[in-house]
Amino acid sequence: DVKVTQSSRYLVKRTGEKVFLECVQDMDHENMFWYRQDPGLGLRLIYFSYDVKMKEKGDIPEGYSVSREKKERFSLILESASTNQTSMYLCASSLRGWGNYGYTFGSGTRLTVV
Amino acid sequence: GDSVTQMEGPVTLSEEAFLTINCTYTATGYPSLFWYVQYPGEGLQLLLKATKADDKGSNKGFEATYRKETTSFHLEKGSVQVSDSAVYFCALRYTGTASKLTFGTGTRLQVTL
Repeated sequence: DVKVTQSSRYLVKRTGEKVFLECVQDMDHENMFWYRQDPGLGLRLIYFSYDVKMKEKGDIPEGYSVSREKKERFSLILESASTNQTSMYLCASSLRGWGNYGYTFGSGTRLTVV
Repeated sequence: GDSVTQMEGPVTLSEEAFLTINCTYTATGYPSLFWYVQYPGEGLQLLLKATKADDKGSNKGFEATYRKETTSFHLEKGSVQVSDSAVYFCALRYTGTASKLTFGTGTRLQVTL
């Protein structure tokens, strides 16, 4: 089974801190994604990457950046954390190509910014 | 743009009741359709999928049929269990290198004894 591992289940950070959320997958998937999940809003795509060093903005990229230096690792960076970035963050990966591949998700990181 | 609409939750059912969670989509082409499930405190898991019209996806007693004429992909289960309590997400995805999933807002299911 593909595993997507997020480094932390819970994080508490202070306003203005730089925050790194790490995600690693072990099945050589080309595509990786970062979503945030908020009540009533569902999942919203922040950034995605379809290859090493490649990145594309999703629907809500403001206040975030990403890094993909190796195929298996996709990092989400909050340059200066704010309270409105308190959320559940979900990483996912998938094979490239035909849309009939689903995603494999990590267990999520619940981030609280105080 | 493309979108997915799910019925509002929460849905509360007694154990062994029949479940339907409605999902409709708006798309310019012919996407693949998915149902994901999220159990409390966990990430999303793929439940089932269908890649073309009239396909039926099934898994763990759940079923959904890709209906192009009604642009729907309703999730059904004949007899729910307490362990099915979770949030269910409908989603679509096109082909292509950088294709991405578009999710509905999710429907919470609560099953009681």
